[in-house]
Amino acid sequence: SQKIEQNSEALNIQEGKTATLTCNYTNYSPAYLQWYRQDPGRGPVFLLLIRENEKEKRKERLKVTFDTTLKQSLFHITASQPADSATYLCALPPGNAGNMLTFGGGTRLMVKP
Amino acid sequence: DAGVTQSPTHLIKTRGQQVTLRCSPKSGHDTVSWYQQALGQGPQFIFQYYEEEERQRGNFPDRFSGHQFPNYSSELNVNALLLGDSALYLCASSEQGFRGYTFGSGTRLTVV
Repeated sequence: SQKIEQNSEALNIQEGKTATLTCNYTNYSPAYLQWYRQDPGRGPVFLLLIRENEKEKRKERLKVTFDTTLKQSLFHITASQPADSATYLCALPPGNAGNMLTFGGGTRLMVKP
Repeated sequence: DAGVTQSPTHLIKTRGQQVTLRCSPKSGHDTVSWYQQALGQGPQFIFQYYEEEERQRGNFPDRFSGHQFPNYSSELNVNALLLGDSALYLCASSEQGFRGYTFGSGTRLTVV
């Protein structure tokens, strides 16, 4: 069955450092992968989409890589700020047709000043 | 431009009761998906509606049903509530040429 794994342990880093979050998946060949940010008690917010033929994508301080051989995506936040503290979710479409998404469990990022 | 609107924001129900949650999608979006999110977990897909029909369904029992109206708004109904149904219920809207969901802030359902 399809499975998405994100580190369930919180990631604690110092302000100004680069945060790197990992998303691993099995039994998938997704056409794309997405990352979302979720603050407590709020719905997820879409951040980035990366397609299977793209190795890397950037948006301001965010960078996402997508390695279809390793079945892994890395999500980087450079020059991190306390305001970046949130839970980050990766999401992939299922193998069948349709635009529904399957989400990982999320990784909580805590950026300390 | 209003995003996705969900109501109510919080709800407390008794085990065995029925509940209806409502969602208005973002303007220009025609597809509505519902997710259940337990505390500390990622959202779990319940079902998706497009053109007033259920297009896809996740691994949820028939107690979970939905509806989409001609104006694209949607309802999620849960019958015979169980304690385990306590969760944050998220509505997400999207459009054809899907590039990501827009989520509402959710309805926090507590079953006692």
